[in-house]
Amino acid sequence: DGGITQSPKYLFRKEGQNVTLSCEQNLNHDAMYWYRQDPGQGLRLIYYSQIVNDFQKGDIAEGYSVSREKKESFPLTVTSAQKNPTAFYLCASSPKTGTVAFFGQGTRLTVV
Amino acid sequence: GESVGLHLPTLSVQEGDNSIINCAYSNSASDYFIWYKQESGKGPQFIIDIRSNMDKRQGQRVTVLLNKTVKHLSLQIAATQPGDSAVYFCAENGADTGRRALTFGSGTRLQVQP
Repeated sequence: DGGITQSPKYLFRKEGQNVTLSCEQNLNHDAMYWYRQDPGQGLRLIYYSQIVNDFQKGDIAEGYSVSREKKESFPLTVTSAQKNPTAFYLCASSPKTGTVAFFGQGTRLTVV
Repeated sequence: GESVGLHLPTLSVQEGDNSIINCAYSNSASDYFIWYKQESGKGPQFIIDIRSNMDKRQGQRVTVLLNKTVKHLSLQIAATQPGDSAVYFCAENGADTGRRALTFGSGTRLQVQP
């Protein structure tokens, strides 16, 4: 797991509800990332953060929001504006952006 | 566990054979590349990386080859074992894009037959 903890492992959400996925790292890494994975596809970047109190949109940021108030934590909120939220969500961190990223074990979100 | 790639290209090899997984990357300015292994229901694990000033790098049972001319990356696994069965992704850093995060390929599923 490389010191990156995602919780919960499985999450169910009703349509129209917001939900927040947790990601914590104890590696003292500056950079953190959120990726989405769908069957038959690779990982797509949602948001990333280079340092505390800073974050940038990735390729598929619509319907998602993040915060980076602490170095160790980078929670992802899936809002009701995300039309197809059912997916496997992966959080990662790296010493700095553009270097090797280490991943958590993922959260599988299902809309019911 | 759940499948993370129902429609991925699949490479099927016999246990003990060598495996070669290929990846075509998109950005000629990328200067750092990584191979990851992902088992069903888990997060990707780092296998090996290579910088653009190298053509080849070896690890334990794995070798990565980089051909910048044709933007091609390959992962060679020697003496493939059942535990190598997984989905393998290449990633690039897109150094000139201003986007400071890895971009991933679509992945290849490796199936090792006993």
